[in-house]
Amino acid sequence: DTEVTQTPKHLVMGMTNKKSLKCEQHMGHRAMYWYKQKAKKPPELMFVYSYEKLSINESVPSRFSPECPNSSLLNLHLHALQPEDSALYLCASSQSPNRRGDIQYFGAGTRLSVL
Amino acid sequence: AQKVTQAQTEISVVEKEDVTLDCVYETRDTTYYLFWYKQPPSGELVFLIRRNSFDEQNEISGRYSWNFQKSTSSFNFTITASQVVDSAVYFCALSEDNGANNLFFGTGTRLTVIP
Repeated sequence: DTEVTQTPKHLVMGMTNKKSLKCEQHMGHRAMYWYKQKAKKPPELMFVYSYEKLSINESVPSRFSPECPNSSLLNLHLHALQPEDSALYLCASSQSPNRRGDIQYFGAGTRLSVL
Repeated sequence: AQKVTQAQTEISVVEKEDVTLDCVYETRDTTYYLFWYKQPPSGELVFLIRRNSFDEQNEISGRYSWNFQKSTSSFNFTITASQVVDSAVYFCALSEDNGANNLFFGTGTRLTVIP
């Protein structure tokens, strides 16, 4: 089973709202990723967690706050977003943070609209 | 500089035709990994294949085949006897041997198979 589950599938929020995106995997993977994908563009890496520790932050604005409560869960907390933050947010996981070329398995994403 | 180039933005074929999606990459590493992912309208990125730089054997999986040529830095993907279900955006990606499992995506090729 190579399943990464993301909830919710769709989210509409105002610029003053606080919301969270959730990602879950039960494959025993120890690396988890957040990507942002704008329409007709490739995914862009936002954050990487290795063994539940934040290892890479690609200069993402602080209105995006990731959290990894345990090895199976990854959250992305959203606060005071802008309309330009509307995008598909994808979560991925891979087996080992230290293994080059590890396959990343992706969830179906959360389509976020900021009004 | 773009590490992965997918020059074909959109391709349309009639069902049962063969189609080749081009991917050209750029890296200074001797060890690297190449990937193809499929993104149907549902949004999930589906892993198709991984190749490491030391394995130039072509691969066939059902109607899918991949042609890896280091001499031209290309990793092309051919779908034989295309079907409507093949309609999707296809991304080629590169992972280098630089200490992180980052994926550099090409801009994607949107394939439409017309019944």
